[in-house]
Amino acid sequence: QKEVEQDPGPLSVPEGAIVSLNCTYSNSAFQYFMWYRQYSRKGPELLMYTYSSGNKEDGRFTAQVDKSSKYISLFIRDSQPSDSATYLCAADNTDKLIFGTGTRLQVFP
Amino acid sequence: DADVTQTPRNRITKTGKRIMLECSQTKGHDRMYWYRQDPGLGLRLIYYSFDVKDINKGEISDGYSVSRQAQAKFSLSLESAIPNQTALYFCATASGRNSYNEQFFGPGTRLTVL
Repeated sequence: QKEVEQDPGPLSVPEGAIVSLNCTYSNSAFQYFMWYRQYSRKGPELLMYTYSSGNKEDGRFTAQVDKSSKYISLFIRDSQPSDSATYLCAADNTDKLIFGTGTRLQVFP
Repeated sequence: DADVTQTPRNRITKTGKRIMLECSQTKGHDRMYWYRQDPGLGLRLIYYSFDVKDINKGEISDGYSVSRQAQAKFSLSLESAIPNQTALYFCATASGRNSYNEQFFGPGTRLTVL
């Protein structure tokens, strides 16, 4: 079993939709959780990070961690075509990041 | 100029050839990482380095070697390339001074082994 599991999608939604991206993890020692966004033919870039359980909001994006169920979520409100990318969740394993496989999102006009 | 650069950006080679992928950074970060990305498998860590004298194996180091020539340079070598090493390779850096491990990625090298 991979330490971080992520549904690969692809996910296709219309512009303006609310998008929910999800991951699960197995190691209860993980404390920091991150979401990276990767546009086609580019390297991943950090979108958001959260510490332990709870929510963190940044504009249209909300990251949520539920440590009791080992569940990580990213919500995108009012999705835009420019949000079309692959989203990778990651857990911080002290010295290394453990990445999910990534979910490809397509937002169509 | 980009903070993390990778050369070459694309490479096609043949089975058995020795290949070196290079990574340079101007961010002044101590930590550097090499990943490969494959469809359906995501990003997997090959090697990482916390300084010039500290090199560590990652999840999938077999068939690869690295060299940390300076704080700013970290090279990945495939001594004898094989077709299943065809992948997108990323270099990343991190300062190591944050409580969380934000990594900054280069643009990637697309390697094809025939």
